[in-house]
Amino acid sequence: DTGVSQDPRHKITKRGQNVTFRCDPISEHNRLYWYRQTLGQGPEFLTYFQNEAQLEKSRLLSDRFSAERPKGSFSTLEIQRTEQGDSAMYLCASSPGDQPQHFGDGTRLSIL
Amino acid sequence: GQNIDQPTEMTATEGAIVQINCTYQTSGFNGLFWYQQHAGEAPTFLSYNVLDGLEEKGRFSSFLSRSKGYSYLLLKELQMKDSASYLCAALTGGGNKLTFGTGTQLKVEL
Repeated sequence: DTGVSQDPRHKITKRGQNVTFRCDPISEHNRLYWYRQTLGQGPEFLTYFQNEAQLEKSRLLSDRFSAERPKGSFSTLEIQRTEQGDSAMYLCASSPGDQPQHFGDGTRLSIL
Repeated sequence: GQNIDQPTEMTATEGAIVQINCTYQTSGFNGLFWYQQHAGEAPTFLSYNVLDGLEEKGRFSSFLSRSKGYSYLLLKELQMKDSASYLCAALTGGGNKLTFGTGTQLKVEL
């Protein structure tokens, strides 16, 4: 069990640029979740996949955000035309069905 | 809407017992989770309650009252390494997502 892996750990970019993050879940976990966390707050749900199907998206996920899980394994989260308010920690979690979610260490995004 | 409330900060002494309370108002409630998060690290799963009552796991216990919308996390024999943020989260929306509180920052002192 290697845990949930996220890449990169840190990303610094200029406002207006596009960024993409990757998440590799625990191998036998069919569910994958993306959350966003800002300083002093709890994680906020963004979206959720069961296998390759994206089943739920938060209203927080504007049309600049897109997530994919093409083969039901790893997932990517892309943010287009980044804005200052996108600066946050982006957390990925996975679970086998309804069991507890296990989180990765996150990707910290900083927008200059 | 979804609302999870927990104290912002708590301080306790090494070796003591501390109780962190959480109240929630959510729709589609399917269970209550507690996570521990050290600064700059991932949240780590601690405990999970679906039914009313107490769940014990070593030094950590969690309690749930669904009728009162209330949970608590009990930490016994506190150690310095227990200094962290403790996140209360409700499983909602058909059981597919976690709605988190803002976290309780626990400081353990000598």
